Amino acid sequence: GAGVSQTPSNKVTEKGKYVELRCDPISGHTALYWYRQSLGQGPEFLIYFQGTGAADDSGLPNDRFFAVRPEGSVSTLKIQRTERGDSAVYLCASSTTPNTEAFFGQGTRLTVV
Amino acid sequence: AQSVAQPEDQVNVAEGNPLTVKCTYSVSGNPYLFWYVQYPNRGLQFLLKYITGDNLVKGSYGFEAEFNKSQTSFHLKKPSALVSDSALYFCAVRDGQGNKLTFGTGTQLKVEL
Repeated sequence: GAGVSQTPSNKVTEKGKYVELRCDPISGHTALYWYRQSLGQGPEFLIYFQGTGAADDSGLPNDRFFAVRPEGSVSTLKIQRTERGDSAVYLCASSTTPNTEAFFGQGTRLTVV
Repeated sequence: AQSVAQPEDQVNVAEGNPLTVKCTYSVSGNPYLFWYVQYPNRGLQFLLKYITGDNLVKGSYGFEAEFNKSQTSFHLKKPSALVSDSALYFCAVRDGQGNKLTFGTGTQLKVEL
């Protein structure tokens, strides 16, 4: 596709449930990032992949959060035992190399009720 | 740790007047600096970047930014604002070695007739 694609665009889940958020980066982009944006805040870094491996996962808030990118393209962010505080817009971005500009998807709005 | 400060939550300007959105940063080593814009219910869109070279960087939609190393600033500017420029603007920084892009809290630009 022409841009970074994220699905679903909206997700409502009950507290304690498991969710998966998907990101399909721009074709050929080796670097992939996940960010979380809460209302009134700037995007907060979660994790960065270079190829298939997580090069930096220092932003993951706790062990309920996990992300994979098994084939170096599509990535899935997984959240276990969701809490109301996890409600936010989750943004995915990709870039050709780590030092070039990142292009963002539209985000997935996660609401935990 | 790297950080970005956007001291103004909101900037108001009349259409046709010049605009400035302020950004200061803190990072180890040489900075990679970026500006992004976010329209309502839209993803982040890349505007411009400074990696090296000329301190005045030109970007999309007539925007430009000036890198000032001594003041650790990267203010966004446009000579003549348009109503359609009204949006949320984010400044971001990455250091030369790391890959984490750190964002400011954003500045809401409102351009009025």
